[in-house]
Amino acid sequence: DTEVTQTPKHLVMGMTNKKSLKCEQHMGHRAMYWYKQKAKKPPELMFVYSYEKLSINESVPSRFSPECPNSSLLNLHLHALQPEDSALYLCASSQEGSGSSYNEQFFGPGTRLTVL
Amino acid sequence: AQSVTQLGSHVSVSEGALVLLRCNYSSSVPPYLFWYVQYPNQGLQLLLKYTTGATLVKGINGFEAEFKKSETSFHLTKPSAHMSDAAEYFCAVRPHRGGFKTIFGAGTRLFVKA
Repeated sequence: DTEVTQTPKHLVMGMTNKKSLKCEQHMGHRAMYWYKQKAKKPPELMFVYSYEKLSINESVPSRFSPECPNSSLLNLHLHALQPEDSALYLCASSQEGSGSSYNEQFFGPGTRLTVL
Repeated sequence: AQSVTQLGSHVSVSEGALVLLRCNYSSSVPPYLFWYVQYPNQGLQLLLKYTTGATLVKGINGFEAEFKKSETSFHLTKPSAHMSDAAEYFCAVRPHRGGFKTIFGAGTRLFVKA
């Protein structure tokens, strides 16, 4: 299984709602990532978990709250978002470890988020 | 700091023509180099990567790229474009010992004309 899955595919939420995005991989990868991608732009790194511990937070507003319940799952909890947070949210994973082959990231299909 | 430059935000070719997408990086030490493709409303898919060894790298869908250290380049080519190649292409770099950050270029949108 070389897939990263993300649910839901689409999400529409109001600014007062609380919702969560889910990401799952069963490749045994030990690093997992959240990216935000606006239209016609490259992905922007938000968070990185390594061995289930938060390793990088790219100064993301607290209305985004990541969680890594286990090595296969990654969640992104959303609360009080703004319309400018509307974007494609991508999850990725990589194996990590010594050796160059471990650094390739596998991406999920993304969740298209619209904040009204 | 490392950076990636993709020359041309849009490239248009005719079906059957050569595809050339340019990528240059800045780094004192050659990093790991990647090309990703993204189709509309989808995630990124790895086309190919250069880590060490042979400088000509073959990827999926008939694409290949050549790492040229002297030119700090990693251009992507395909001999004959197909309509299905129309997509956004991202060049990316990752330092050998730089933690988890992958630096993406701004992207090049490839159009293929019939």
